[in-house]
Parts: sequence; structure tokens; C-alpha cells
Amino acid sequence: DAGVTQSPTHLIKTRGQQVTLRCSPKSGHDTVSWYQQALGQGPQFIFQYYEEEERQRGNFPDRFSGHQFPNYSSELNVNALLLGDSALYLCASSPKRTDPSTDTQYFGPGTRLTVL
Amino acid sequence: GQSLEQPSEVTAVEGAIVQINCTYQTSGFYGLSWYQQHDGGAPTFLSYNALDGLEETGRFSSFLSRSDSYGYLLLQELQMKDSASYFCAYGGENDYKLSFGAGTTVTVRA
Repeated sequence: DAGVTQSPTHLIKTRGQQVTLRCSPKSGHDTVSWYQQALGQGPQFIFQYYEEEERQRGNFPDRFSGHQFPNYSSELNVNALLLGDSALYLCASSPKRTDPSTDTQYFGPGTRLTVL
Repeated sequence: GQSLEQPSEVTAVEGAIVQINCTYQTSGFYGLSWYQQHDGGAPTFLSYNALDGLEETGRFSSFLSRSDSYGYLLLQELQMKDSASYFCAYGGENDYKLSFGAGTTVTVRA
């Protein structure tokens, strides 16, 4: 049973460029969340996708956008990159939140983005 | 607002016991989770408390007191492989995201 996979593992971009990160959820999961983790900090919620719609969004600018495909995989797009966007981007999947008493999310290994 | 506070670093020797405290402030609350993250790796789920009391999973235990907005993770019989960052996190009512603390770096010495 494959866990959450993300690609690429590392990425180097320059300011102003655009980037697309990809995520495949754990088998049986239909909900995908994206988090940004700066060095030495906890993950910060960017947004969550369910049924190909953005269900909730964190405090991130519109430069951050996403998409979910019919097979539940997801993309995170960041436009007009800033130096401050350098971080580990984590994808997490979970089953449909029918039971809010269980908050387990399954994280992928992340994509390390460096903006120069 | 929403926030979680936990100590930034803890150091202990192999075989020791470490307790990582977490206090939270939120207007809505479902339960407190704990995640472990090794350097450069993916956060992995350790434990979840929805109700007050102690949950035990092997060498790790987690505690929650809703009335005190407080929880802790207890790591027993520390091993070198337990050197990692530990995050407390919660999901709120009508809220699909997890909100994480800044993390506690645990260093286990021989």
C-alpha cells in the first residue's frame, strides 16, 4: 500500500518564477491538504481539496493556488516566487472527514523549494 | 485566535523519560494530536486525544486536560532513534485543517 508521494523532492527557482508541486494521496484517501513548513517551524496550512474543490484555505496570498484531479491527486502552484517562499511543502491526505474525532493526516516526504 | 505553545528544545540521555508540554488557545476544539518528524522527513502521526486522560501507545503516552487547555506527550525508555522534532496540533470545530505548534526538538544523548 503506497503512502503519500510527492514530486519533485527538491527544486531550485529564482524570484519571480512559477512552480508546480505534485502529490498523490494514500490509497483510499480522497482529501488532500497542503502545508508550508519553514525551517524550524511547524507546518502551516495552505489549503485543502476535496471533490476537486478548495474546501478551506489558510492565510496565504492568491499567488498560491491548487487543483485536485478526479483520481484525487493534487497540484500546488505558486506564482511570482519570493525569497520567503523557500520552505518544505508538505502534502497530507486523509479519508473524508466523516468522523471529526479522528484528525490523523498522512504526510508525504515533502518538496524542498529553494528560491534564489 | 488560535495558538499552541510548546518548549523549543529538550535534551535527555538514553533510557530516560521526557515530557513535552503543550498549551493551546482556540475557540473550538476537537482534540489534540502529536506528530513526530525526523530531520528532513515527513511528519508521522503518534497519538490523538479527544477526551481528557491518558492514551498509551507503547513507549509513548499522551495526556489531555480540556479544562486546562493543556496536554503532554511522554516519551519513555528513550532511544537514540527518538531524536526528532515533536509537534502538537489540533483540529477545530467546523475546521478541516490541523494547526501545529512550532515543535520541540528532542535530542537523545548516549
